[in-house]
Amino acid sequence: DAGVIQSPRHEVTEMGQEVTLRCKPISGHNSLFWYRQTMMRGLELLIYFNNNVPIDDSGMPEDRFSAKMPNASFSTLKIQPSEPRDSAVYFCASSLAGRDEKLFFGSGTQLSVL
Amino acid sequence: AQTVTQSQPEMSVQEAETVTLSCTYDTSENNYYLFWYKQPPSRQMILVIRQEAYKQQNATENRFSVNFQKAAKSFSLKISDSQLGDTAMYFCAFILNTGKLIFGQGTTLQVKP
Repeated sequence: DAGVIQSPRHEVTEMGQEVTLRCKPISGHNSLFWYRQTMMRGLELLIYFNNNVPIDDSGMPEDRFSAKMPNASFSTLKIQPSEPRDSAVYFCASSLAGRDEKLFFGSGTQLSVL
Repeated sequence: AQTVTQSQPEMSVQEAETVTLSCTYDTSENNYYLFWYKQPPSRQMILVIRQEAYKQQNATENRFSVNFQKAAKSFSLKISDSQLGDTAMYFCAFILNTGKLIFGQGTTLQVKP
């Protein structure tokens, strides 16, 4: 298996633009997580899905952020409009359902909002 | 509140020496799982070791072992025979009953030749 695949690896955009980050989880995994990593706040869980259903989105910063999982093999995280403070590395991770299962992380998307 | 605390922002160790990274956590749950993840400069998050709270025996994975003190809510990582490739940021993490994984702030480890 290729692991969790995220795209793009790097994204540079201007303030006010819409940004869409993409994730393909490992085949067979039914839990998917979006994390944001910054120097100041470390790794923050934004949202996670179980069987394509959002379970906890309490970490989503504000209404500018939205996430979808239309099927078991694809998820998106959208920021509209983007702001400079959204600059961070965004990770997607997947696992089999169950809290003893380890998370497999993608390589992350480095987002820079100018 | 469910929190994970890593009190050492940075550490360094000489190659071949042993180093211990500290982690404490807070939870009201009785059964849970703890993890250590490694993030090298490549940015990839890699699982190092996992501990099940109901097991008293400390987990080990080759040169990596943990000292799990459930009563003290402490979960330290020991790296023996440190190698240059161990240079990375290390995150302690704790998984809640809901499946939500909470990370500490991380410890940057530098292995010196």
